[in-house]
Amino acid sequence: GDSVTQMEGPVTLSEEAFLTINCTYTATGYPSLFWYVQYPGEGLQLLLKATKADDKGSNKGFEATYRKETTSFHLEKGSVQVSDSAVYFCALFTGNQFYFGTGTSLTVIP
Amino acid sequence: DADVTQTPRNRITKTGKRIMLECSQTKGHDRMYWYRQDPGLGLRLIYYSFDVKDINKGEISDGYSVSRQAQAKFSLSLESAIPNQTALYFCATSDPPGGADTQYFGPGTRLTVL
Repeated sequence: GDSVTQMEGPVTLSEEAFLTINCTYTATGYPSLFWYVQYPGEGLQLLLKATKADDKGSNKGFEATYRKETTSFHLEKGSVQVSDSAVYFCALFTGNQFYFGTGTSLTVIP
Repeated sequence: DADVTQTPRNRITKTGKRIMLECSQTKGHDRMYWYRQDPGLGLRLIYYSFDVKDINKGEISDGYSVSRQAQAKFSLSLESAIPNQTALYFCATSDPPGGADTQYFGPGTRLTVL
């Protein structure tokens, strides 16, 4: 069945470090891919998305590229800030349902 | 005002009690969803609805029921709550424009079943 696998956390980085959170997926057809972010005490918010192979989603310095050949959608940021501390979820949409990864907790220390 | 609201925000109840969680949205979206979030398990889909007359079971619907009272309202009920239903519950909406879909989440309801 359709599913998303993302790297387990927690991840702790120093401010200005490079961030990568890995995400791979299994899906029939051509899903859309998403990264959502959840700040403490809040619901999930869309961070970025990509709808087809080779698309790059970007927002707030974060980027992810839809790689069909490796079924991946890894999240990257060149220089993280303390305010980026949150839980990040990779997700895919197949046309009817969303499938979410288990979430990766990121803590950025000054 | 928030586009997707959930009530209550926190609830503590006892085993065997009937509980209703409510979700309202002002986004005008047809599609609504209920998820639960558990540590280490991410979000799992309980039920979803594509319009008032369309209700579908998700991955973990056992022990839950829903009601879509109007386009803007989607309620989740636990007929007889049990401790392993202790979780954070999220409502979400979406409105696919024929292409990629984006979900909009409420702030969540933290439910504790003793």
